[in-house]
Amino acid sequence: QVQLQESGPGLVKPSQTLSLTCTVSGGSISSGSYYWSWIRQPAGKGLEWIGRIYTSGSTNYNPSLKSRVTISVDTSKNQFSLKLSSVTAADTAVYYCAREGSSGTNFDYWGQGTLVTVSS
Amino acid sequence: QSVLTQPPSVSGAPGQRVTISCTGSSSNIGAGYDVHWYQQLPGTAPKLLIYGNSNRPSGVPDRFSGSKSGTSASLAITGLQAEDEADYYCQSYDSSLSGSLVFGGGTKLTVL
Repeated sequence: QVQLQESGPGLVKPSQTLSLTCTVSGGSISSGSYYWSWIRQPAGKGLEWIGRIYTSGSTNYNPSLKSRVTISVDTSKNQFSLKLSSVTAADTAVYYCAREGSSGTNFDYWGQGTLVTVSS
Repeated sequence: QSVLTQPPSVSGAPGQRVTISCTGSSSNIGAGYDVHWYQQLPGTAPKLLIYGNSNRPSGVPDRFSGSKSGTSASLAITGLQAEDEADYYCQSYDSSLSGSLVFGGGTKLTVL
């Protein structure tokens, strides 16, 4: 059973860079043809897809965040990571990592989510 | 403003049937891209409910069903139960946004 776990600072200062890591267990991140995504949800609001990385390292980003987002993968650690630069209070949200299933563009496995607050 | 449009809320009594709509456009649902549905209970991560428009993952009761037509999709829940009270999200792919994955704004289901 694949499991995903987000980790990283829960508090980030405005204008700084938010950095999160998703650790995958129960399977190799580089096996199979999967995309690995980051998704966020501000309190009381809906889900927003941030971007994804393929096992080969190729990436796709949400156009509204593209200029500030970098997603990378470390297959040796079975992890993928998110960096979001120049954060503001609007970036305060629960951040989820998720796997796109092999049957299409759906997310079949999700992490439990981690709250990141942007505040000075 | 979400790319996929859902009603903010729906409600129904136990045992009843409710539907949740998801309206897109010619660059996402109307272009033939699959629609997926998620259930999010309070304080938890979303859970895949329906994938590929109408397929249920193992363990999802057959009370939940999905359909798609034109630029819209629907989630139907029959035999409504108290534990179905949650937020529901549709999701698809949009070719006009540099290959982005997009979500609906979410629908809060209240079981009366």
